[in-house]
Amino acid sequence: GESVGLHLPTLSVQEGDNSIINCAYSNSASDYFIWYKQESGKGPQFIIDIRSNMDKRQGQRVTVLLNKTVKHLSLQIAATQPGDSAVYFCAELGGSNRLAFGKGNQVVVIP
Amino acid sequence: DVKVTQSSRYLVKRTGEKVFLECVQDMDHENMFWYRQDPGLGLRLIYFSYDVKMKEKGDIPEGYSVSREKKERFSLILESASTNQTSMYLCASSLNSGRSNYGYTFGSGTRLTVV
Repeated sequence: GESVGLHLPTLSVQEGDNSIINCAYSNSASDYFIWYKQESGKGPQFIIDIRSNMDKRQGQRVTVLLNKTVKHLSLQIAATQPGDSAVYFCAELGGSNRLAFGKGNQVVVIP
Repeated sequence: DVKVTQSSRYLVKRTGEKVFLECVQDMDHENMFWYRQDPGLGLRLIYFSYDVKMKEKGDIPEGYSVSREKKERFSLILESASTNQTSMYLCASSLNSGRSNYGYTFGSGTRLTVV
């Protein structure tokens, strides 16, 4: 079957460089946001989340930035490694208990 | 380690067959979801359930039904499989919004091919 990474915006990054993946969300009332990583042939995995009362949150090698003014979310990956090659999705939670997912961005790490 | 388990990784079925996709979670989550994922279309919600014996239509329920007889198990049923249902199917679960964690935990997916 076709890879879910086909037809997606692709970011090619050299191994060791930093990656920045961007996401615009639609609902100004959304108060919780998540980044997921999906490797080829696998289900999406939780990376990091952030609530709307924060504008930055850091994890291990990853940082999520939230700009509520322009409804923009970004994921920064430090010192990108070959294992970071994947599709990355943002998701937002609004008034319901259902996450709304972005279509994703493909990250390709060049050794 | 908490898990969402989908019974099959790969499945090939014939047009017109009735197909069952099974999903089990061991996290005592109230909410369970079925998505299909196609290149260029992202994740599309088929059905979801907030409780046992409860189900709600998602964005693309046509051609599908679901069953939630037990809290831990959520089954997706293709009543009469068609070639346009060839896709990657993903199951997910989550706690209710009243709890602290809203994130979904996904299974590994079932790649279904209908021939």
